[in-house]
Amino acid sequence: GESVGLHLPTLSVQEGDNSIINCAYSNSASDYFIWYKQESGKGPQFIIDIRSNMDKRQGQRVTVLLNKTVKHLSLQIAATQPGDSAVYFCAENVRMDTGRRALTFGSGTRLQVQP
Amino acid sequence: NAGVMQNPRHLVRRRGQEARLRCSPMKGHSHVYWYRQLPEEGLKFMVYLQKENIIDESGMPKERFSAEFPKEGPSILRIQQVVRGDSAAYFCASSPPGQNYGYTFGSGTRLTVV
Repeated sequence: GESVGLHLPTLSVQEGDNSIINCAYSNSASDYFIWYKQESGKGPQFIIDIRSNMDKRQGQRVTVLLNKTVKHLSLQIAATQPGDSAVYFCAENVRMDTGRRALTFGSGTRLQVQP
Repeated sequence: NAGVMQNPRHLVRRRGQEARLRCSPMKGHSHVYWYRQLPEEGLKFMVYLQKENIIDESGMPKERFSAEFPKEGPSILRIQQVVRGDSAAYFCASSPPGQNYGYTFGSGTRLTVV
């Protein structure tokens, strides 16, 4: 079946460096994508989203890039801080045949920030 | 705004017992979603409810699991005759009426079956 997947299960970076977390999706009908951050023992926290009619969106220290041609999504975190250490999930939102929308999560990438 | 509230945070049940997980959506939100997360894995959709209606339960196991969202009170995810494989974190999310793009998640209930 169609699914969302991630390339790297664990990413280790030095504090102050930039981080790039990648995600591949396969459902060409997906038109809305979200990155979530999940810290240990907590629920997913919204970071940034992007619609399929865009290829880039910037937030505070974070940028999401969308390449619909190769069905690839990335999250860039500038000047990574220890507080950024968490598991990051990409999720795709697609309108189903029933008309309702469904949010499907990828398997996650663990970001470890080394001091 | 208290956000999405889930309780209990941790729940331990013996095999064969029942587990009840509660979720109060954010104020003004009428859509509730339940997800299950196994250790080191992503979140898997279970069920989507609106007040007094189950909209999509395609991710719910056919047996032992049920969910409700009554007119008054929280949404309840009920697991009967729990088995060890039910041990997981269960997350609830909510969204406002007419909008089911971005969800707000609760902190989850961690169920341990011993």
